[in-house]
Amino acid sequence: SSELTQDPAVSVALGQTVRITCQGDSLRAFYASWYQQKPGQAPVLVTYGKNNRPSGIPDRFSGFTSGSAASLTITGAQAEDEADYYCTSRDGIENHEVFGGGTKLTVL
Amino acid sequence: QVQLQESGPGLVKPSETLSLTCTVSGGSVSSGDYYWSWIRQPPGKGLEWIGYLYSPTSTNNNNPSLKSRVTISADTSKNQFSLRLSSVTAADTAVYYCARYYYDSIGYSMIDQWGQGTMVTVSS
Repeated sequence: SSELTQDPAVSVALGQTVRITCQGDSLRAFYASWYQQKPGQAPVLVTYGKNNRPSGIPDRFSGFTSGSAASLTITGAQAEDEADYYCTSRDGIENHEVFGGGTKLTVL
Repeated sequence: QVQLQESGPGLVKPSETLSLTCTVSGGSVSSGDYYWSWIRQPPGKGLEWIGYLYSPTSTNNNNPSLKSRVTISADTSKNQFSLRLSSVTAADTAVYYCARYYYDSIGYSMIDQWGQGTMVTVSS
């Protein structure tokens, strides 16, 4: 089955821009979705498809998928953005969603 | 706004069957627009897809790594769907989330609504 690969940890200075990346063959056919998870909480969808955000998600979050790679960019990171971030996409062969291993974002 | 709420035992003995129920409010499990899903997260680890149910046709699609241990079903009269995971071991200890899943033919997929999660420990 497909796999999605993420860097385990990334850090960013407060107010700066950070990009979190995700790689996998499934991204050639399906857009990535990105989820934010804070300790003790359920994940929250932050971007999906061709750079769409659910209602209530700040516009500093943006997503992009091209070829076998996807990225989540946070423009002007805030302290509250410190969390784990997971990418997912659909595995078109086995017809289920596949998760990346997650990236722990630290805001310095 | 759709809300999902997991319920079930927090402790299951090894080799027994884990059973959880997800109650959906603000939306219908019978809807043909979404797939009703279970996802889990072992302590300190990442998310793992368990499977989903498409209620109108009672079609399941489960993670091959869990093989035939998984059954996902729906009770449309109660607007609930359920997970049964048989022959559990300590490796099945995790927070279990129910969720609403969407995908389409133009490459979009997303898990747009999640329950709060319920911790299940497998131990004697």
